[in-house]
Amino acid sequence: KAGVTQTPRYLIKTRGQQVTLSCSPISGHRSVSWYQQTPGQGLQFLFEYFSETQRNKGNFPGRFSGRQFSNSRSEMNVSTLELGDSALYLCASTPGGARETQYFGPGTRLLVL
Amino acid sequence: KNQVEQSPQSLIILEGKNCTLQCNYTVSPFSNLRWYKQDTGRGPVSLTIMTFSENTKSNGRYTATLDADTKQSSLHITASQLSDSASYICVVSGTGGSYIPTFGRGTSLIVHP
Repeated sequence: KAGVTQTPRYLIKTRGQQVTLSCSPISGHRSVSWYQQTPGQGLQFLFEYFSETQRNKGNFPGRFSGRQFSNSRSEMNVSTLELGDSALYLCASTPGGARETQYFGPGTRLLVL
Repeated sequence: KNQVEQSPQSLIILEGKNCTLQCNYTVSPFSNLRWYKQDTGRGPVSLTIMTFSENTKSNGRYTATLDADTKQSSLHITASQLSDSASYICVVSGTGGSYIPTFGRGTSLIVHP
């Protein structure tokens, strides 16, 4: 089985722009979670989608949003980018249960100038 | 506020030696605790998942323990290898309002030949 894939792998944007990141989960996995990783804050949970519905949400401003499609692929969008949004954005998938093993993708490294 | 504290922050050991990493948490009510290994520039890889009723779980040379009463966990690495050099991250999830996974800042392990 192919692993979790994320596109693009690297991205450079300027302040005020918006960005959309994509995540394709492992085939058959219905849950996709998104995380932000920075040197200052470490890993932080953004949100989780299951069967096209947001199941859980972390403590991030409304500029961060996401969605999931019927084939379980997920996208996250960040609007009005700030310098502090520079980070590694990771997605992870599981078959669906809260206590199942999560499989992470390689991440998208976003640099905001 | 839910917190996860890991110690030590960094550790250097010689190849072949054993080591133990610590994780203390305040998350309540508790659902599960996970240990991940993250190589530089890559997504985390799951090592173990433990629920309230489990106090030991092994994955090859990695053995995790959990004391839910004292809210402490440890990850023991036996006969370390150069490939064990990575960041080890402890993540604790609660139930209900504490569902959002809380991440520790990680322990950076370097294994020298």
